[in-house]
Amino acid sequence: GQQVMQIPQYQHVQEGEDFTTYCNSSTTLSNIQWYKQRPGGHPVFLIQLVKSGEVKKQKRLTFQFGEAKKNSSLHITATQTTDVGTYFCAGPGSSNTGKLIFGQGTTLQVKP
Amino acid sequence: NAGVMQNPRHLVRRRGQEARLRCSPMKGHSHVYWYRQLPEEGLKFMVYLQKENIIDESGMPKERFSAEFPKEGPSILRIQQVVRGDSAAYFCASSPPWDEQYFGPGTRLTVT
Repeated sequence: GQQVMQIPQYQHVQEGEDFTTYCNSSTTLSNIQWYKQRPGGHPVFLIQLVKSGEVKKQKRLTFQFGEAKKNSSLHITATQTTDVGTYFCAGPGSSNTGKLIFGQGTTLQVKP
Repeated sequence: NAGVMQNPRHLVRRRGQEARLRCSPMKGHSHVYWYRQLPEEGLKFMVYLQKENIIDESGMPKERFSAEFPKEGPSILRIQQVVRGDSAAYFCASSPPWDEQYFGPGTRLTVT
């Protein structure tokens, strides 16, 4: 079945270092969404990418959608302790009903 | 504009009991999704509903689980005869058609 994979599963960085998480889909996606979940919290929508090769920035966060629309990445520049949490990518299910298939997430720990 | 509401936030059930989880979508949203999150894992799609209709239940276990979204009132995820493996966080999300999903705070179910 359709799968969305994310690496790495965990990342520990020193505050101020950069961080990147990668997302790969087994199928071509019409769009990809990114969510952040703080410890004990719920997923919060960050961004949606639609176009092949699209790059979007939100302050220190840079999101990319691959040319083949099967992979994506999230890069955080100069991490801060407030960046701690799990970052999930998600793509629409192949049945096209609106459901999302989530990656396993990358959990980011930032040491002050 | 209140966000997605879920209750209860925490639910403890003994093996064999029934669990009822409620979700009230954001105002104006007609699409409701249920996801399950096991500890240290990503979110797994369970079911997608619109008012009085189940659109996609491909992620629902075949037995003991059911969901509804009546014309009036919240969406309900029902788990009959709970087992220890049902212990998880259950998140509800709502959205307008074909848009990002807004997640509720989740219900943490513990089966003892």
